[in-house]
Amino acid sequence: DAKTTQPPSMDCAEGRAANLPCNHSTISGNEYVYWYRQIHSQGPQYIIHGLKNNETNEMASLIITEDRKSSTLILPHATLRDTAVYYCIVRVGNAGNNRKLIWGLGTSLAVNP
Amino acid sequence: NAGVTQTPKFRVLKTGQSMTLLCAQDMNHEYMYWYRQDPGMGLRLIHYSVGEGTTAKGEVPDGYNVSRLKKQNFLLGLESAAPSQTSVYFCASSPAGTGTYEQYFGPGTRLTVT
Repeated sequence: DAKTTQPPSMDCAEGRAANLPCNHSTISGNEYVYWYRQIHSQGPQYIIHGLKNNETNEMASLIITEDRKSSTLILPHATLRDTAVYYCIVRVGNAGNNRKLIWGLGTSLAVNP
Repeated sequence: NAGVTQTPKFRVLKTGQSMTLLCAQDMNHEYMYWYRQDPGMGLRLIHYSVGEGTTAKGEVPDGYNVSRLKKQNFLLGLESAAPSQTSVYFCASSPAGTGTYEQYFGPGTRLTVT
């Protein structure tokens, strides 16, 4: 699986958009980009995933560059409850019985009032 | 719909004691996972299961055993606890097919081994 690089920490003002970058320059054609977040002391929560098209759901938007070497998770109107560690993970979509996700240290997002 | 639940939430063990962590899911998911999370490290996969009666080793399986006798339950056992197993343990489940990596996590079990 491709390695991902994320900044260790970011700040965002409440009500503003939070843009969390992820670099995955060695991504291959059949690898998806997944985003999860983990609020302090809770289990991780799935946010969104994509292959090459931009994706949007009720939680966030995922923008993947045309060359797929990087992506950005956008929280359009960040709230204090969005303070969490955000993980970007790259994984092959269909990998037989190997269901392993490789978790890095993610980006610690602090949303400030 | 409770999602993924874990029992117990907290536990303190002495070195050499044994215990079983229980994970239950009510989403009819095929796949289930046990992870551990330590300070300064990402989640690491201990064992996983792709269906009732089947289990497989993850990244850090030593010192743990698992069983999946029923589709909705996945048990993690520590036969002889060691201080190195002090950690937060998370269980997760996911559907088969294209949703496999949309994993749903439980609230975690905080285990301390003294």
